[in-house]
This record gives sequence, C-alpha cells and structure tokens, in this order.
Amino acid sequence: GAVVSQHPSRVICKSGTSVKIECRSLDFQATTMFWYRQFPKKSLMLMATSNEGSKATYEQGVEKDKFLINHASLTLSTLTVTSAHPEDSSFYICSARIPPMGSSNQPQHFGDGTRLSIL
Amino acid sequence: AQKVTQAQTEISVVEKEDVTLDCVYETRDTTYYLFWYKQPPSGELVFLIRRNSFDEQNEISGRYSWNFQKSTSSFNFTITASQVVDSAVYFCALSEEYAGGTSYGKLTFGQGTILTVHP
Repeated sequence: GAVVSQHPSRVICKSGTSVKIECRSLDFQATTMFWYRQFPKKSLMLMATSNEGSKATYEQGVEKDKFLINHASLTLSTLTVTSAHPEDSSFYICSARIPPMGSSNQPQHFGDGTRLSIL
Repeated sequence: AQKVTQAQTEISVVEKEDVTLDCVYETRDTTYYLFWYKQPPSGELVFLIRRNSFDEQNEISGRYSWNFQKSTSSFNFTITASQVVDSAVYFCALSEEYAGGTSYGKLTFGQGTILTVHP
C-alpha cells in the first residue's frame, strides 16, 4: 500500500538552530501534503497545507516565517523550523493526500512523525 | 467550522472488558468523512476506519465496531474483549471536504482519548 516516509524521526538541537523535516510519498504522487503539530497529551493541530508548485496555505495563528514549507516535487514536502526555540519543541507529523480518484479506503497516509526537542 | 469532541480524556479498563469511546462532531456540510485513528506510544497514527456521511451502517471488524448515528452527530467506537495491546490514544477526526474538492484530506481531530488496558 501507499507509504509516507518522514525523516528524521527525532531531533535534539540547541536553541537558535534551524531544523528541516522531510515528508516523502514513496509510491504515489502527492499534489497536497499536510503538516500537523502535536503537543504532549494533546490533539493534532493542522499547521498548513502544502501544495506542489505553489505557496503553502497556513492555518490561522501559524507563523509563516517560523515554519517554512516547501513542496518542490510531487513526492517531497519539507518543513523547516527556523531559529527554533524550546517552545517549538513538539511532535510534527505529515500526511500525504491520495488523489481523489484513487481506490484507497483512506484518503491520506501519515508519516511516522518527528519528535523535535529544542534545548 | 467543523469541530470534533471526545469527552472522555482517559479511560482505564481491565483486560477482556468491553470499552466504548465516544465521538461527537459538528459540521455544516452535508458531505463529510469520519475517521478513527490509533496512536500508540511510539507516536505513529494507525488508520482504523473511514465512514462516509451517507453511509450510516454500523461496521464490525474483529473486536472493533463503530456506531454512526447521524441524528445525534456521533460516531462511537467500541472495543470488545479489550487487550493490553489496545492501550493507546484514540483520535476521532472529521474531514468536511468532498473527495473531489481541492482541500480533500484536511482533518480536524478530536482531543483524543487515552485508553489504558490493565492485565
């Protein structure tokens, strides 16, 4: 079945560092990918919708300059947390949309997530 | 705007007990999808079920069953004869967009229910 690969799975770095997270669709083309953020013991909140070849659509309250999203190809979207600070520590998870005409029972597949810890 | 409410924050049961996780949703759309996901301690999201708003048939899959009641906007999930491996956070989610729409796949998650099954 369709698989989404997210890398890295865990990052620990110093405050002020920029961190890039990759989300790849391995066996299908994903024109749209989604980035979610999850605080400990909390729900998943949609941060932005990543569209191939165009600018990402950010949800209200999400800083565009802090969370840079690039969707340069049909199989890769990246989220860069710029100048990360301890409050950016969180679990980030991406998903890729299966094309609407596909036969998959689920409309999207999730990566395994990235646990980001900023010291 | 859509909203998903999982009123039960935490549930604790003893193995072999049946347990029902509640989910209530709000949407103004007539076409939508409802989902349940399982998130084990490792963090990845495991897809359990997707239900179309036009299909109110209940579904059973092994020890899992789902009860969709459109009249009460509820989509409850029951685990029969629970096992320790069922311990996880369970999320109910809603996707308002029609499969042919441009924002297909965007999910609104409930707060999650932490299920602990004791041996």
